[in-house]
Amino acid sequence: QKEVEQNSGPLSVPEGAIASLNCTYSDRGSQSFFWYRQYSGKSPELIMFIYSNGDKEDGRFTAQLNKASQYVSLLIRDSQPSDSATYLCAVKGSWGKLQFGAGTQVVVTP
Amino acid sequence: GAGVSQSPSNKVTEKGKDVELRCDPISGHTALYWYRQRLGQGLEFLIYFQGNSAPDKSGLPSDRFSAERTGESVSTLTIQRTQQEDSAVYLCASSLASSSGGRYNEQFFGPGTRLTVL
Repeated sequence: QKEVEQNSGPLSVPEGAIASLNCTYSDRGSQSFFWYRQYSGKSPELIMFIYSNGDKEDGRFTAQLNKASQYVSLLIRDSQPSDSATYLCAVKGSWGKLQFGAGTQVVVTP
Repeated sequence: GAGVSQSPSNKVTEKGKDVELRCDPISGHTALYWYRQRLGQGLEFLIYFQGNSAPDKSGLPSDRFSAERTGESVSTLTIQRTQQEDSAVYLCASSLASSSGGRYNEQFFGPGTRLTVL
């Protein structure tokens, strides 16, 4: 079992709709959770982080965390073509090392 | 220089040659990380530095890979006797600090070095 799992996609989303991305992790002691966006051929950039159970909203992005279920998700509202990218879920483990999922490719269609 | 920089941006080498990749972290960032990303895949952790020491080298795939960091700044990743399977983008990231007790760990990534082994 991988430590951080994501559906690889591609997730096709009509422009203006909500994109829902899921991530599960195996280390129950994990405390910090991050979502990175990576455009093709570019390096990852942090878009959201969440530490506490519940929802955290930042603009069109909402991160949701459920530690009991070891599940973290990212919602993108009013999806735009510029949101087309691969979204990487990352979970902080020991020594501050981030374990990354393989990423979910999102394609927003006009 | 506000961000993490890496050099070279691209490196093409012949199988069996040694290569050295360089990372300049954001000034003041004590933690530095190396990752490898093969085409179409996620990030594979290689090694982590806190200051000049490397408490976690668990991701280095073989003894052909080594890394060092001097002066809590520049880091070099060396791959000896390169193989075709070493072809990938090598990403460096830095953060302010990282410890098992801390929670804040935003990592800023450099642009990567694309390594091609022929």
